[in-house]
Amino acid sequence: KNEVEQSPQNLTAQEGEFITINCSYSVGISALHWLQQHPGGGIVSLFMLSSGKKKHGRLIATINIQEKHSSLHITASHPRDSAVYICAVRETSGSRLTFGEGTQLTVNP
Amino acid sequence: SQTIHQWPATLVQPVGSPLSLECTVEGTSNPNLYWYRQAAGRGLQLLFYSVGIGQISSEVPQNLSASRPQDRQFILSSKKLLLSDSGFYLCAWNPRDTPSSYEQYFGPGTRLTVT
Repeated sequence: KNEVEQSPQNLTAQEGEFITINCSYSVGISALHWLQQHPGGGIVSLFMLSSGKKKHGRLIATINIQEKHSSLHITASHPRDSAVYICAVRETSGSRLTFGEGTQLTVNP
Repeated sequence: SQTIHQWPATLVQPVGSPLSLECTVEGTSNPNLYWYRQAAGRGLQLLFYSVGIGQISSEVPQNLSASRPQDRQFILSSKKLLLSDSGFYLCAWNPRDTPSSYEQYFGPGTRLTVT
């Protein structure tokens, strides 16, 4: 079992739909990251959070430390949101990141 | 502002040939530097990280090596490539010993195909 599990692996939505991507982890963490990987491969950091909720534009990330679970929400999805979304955690015992395998999101017009 | 560069962007190499991928960071000093690999359909895997010149930690035993000859330069090498070395290689950095040191910033990546 991976230390970081994401669901779903693949997600197809229609433009305008509300999207949720989930991340569960099994280790103690000091921070959780949500990353976006574009079709060309480049990775952009969307959020880093250790508690509560963060919002940036149409993106919202939440984390529940007790339940070891985080969600990434996209409101009013758009085809340009199509990408792979990756959850990564920083364990409390070290400095390295452990990554989930990513969620491939496709938003159709 | 800080910028991270990687080259080449794409590379096709035969099995058994050597490899050298370069990563440089601008606009910061004493960064932590990381090499990751993403195999097809797999998550990112940390290969090496460095906290200073000449200081390299290996996370996964393999036929790859890394070096940091200068503060903002990180090189990934192999003497003889294997088919299994194919993948997308990402360099990343983060500032050391600052409140934002948990963030990591990724380079554009190098797509390596070993034939």
